[in-house]
Amino acid sequence: DTEVTQTPKHLVMGMTNKKSLKCEQHMGHRAMYWYKQKAKKPPELMFVYSYEKLSINESVPSRFSPECPNSSLLNLHLHALQPEDSALYLCASSQVGPSNYGYTFGSGTRLTVV
Amino acid sequence: AQKITQTQPGMFVQEKEAVTLDCTYDTSDQSYGLFWYKQPSSGEMIFLIYQGSYDEQNATEGRYSLNFQKARKSANLVISASQLGDSAMYFCAMREKGGGFKTIFGAGTRLFVKA
Repeated sequence: DTEVTQTPKHLVMGMTNKKSLKCEQHMGHRAMYWYKQKAKKPPELMFVYSYEKLSINESVPSRFSPECPNSSLLNLHLHALQPEDSALYLCASSQVGPSNYGYTFGSGTRLTVV
Repeated sequence: AQKITQTQPGMFVQEKEAVTLDCTYDTSDQSYGLFWYKQPSSGEMIFLIYQGSYDEQNATEGRYSLNFQKARKSANLVISASQLGDSAMYFCAMREKGGGFKTIFGAGTRLFVKA
């Protein structure tokens, strides 16, 4: 199994809603990532988990709350988002170790905040 | 601070011809990795090829090769025998050994393959 699965693929939410994005991988990768990508822009790192512990938070607003319940799952909890948070949210995973490991990405969740 | 520069917003190539996508980088770290990813319109990022800073030979993966010139800090992607399915956005990326798990991406180059 060489996939990273993200659900849902599309999400429309109001600014007062609470929703969660889910990411799952079964490749035995112990590093998992959340990236945000606006249209026609490169992905921007949000969070990194290594061995289920948060290792990098790129000064992301608290309305985004990551969670890594186990080595296969990564969630991103959303609350009180703004329209400018509308973007493609990409999850990725990789092995832990030297810098030569490429990421395996999911197909992303296209989020629209109304 | 690490930085990736891709100066070609868009490129056109004829089917079956080769194309080079440019990438330059800046880092103060001696140990780093350089990557290329492909992003079709579907959105998924696909890992194509990796080059380590200490690798003496250029990396190759099928039709993809990475032209690594360390002194010039460039890591260009060469796609040989272009196919229609190669039409996509291509991102150059870098991860420093001292940067933990942080990978940064260049602005990307949109490749259009013409039939």
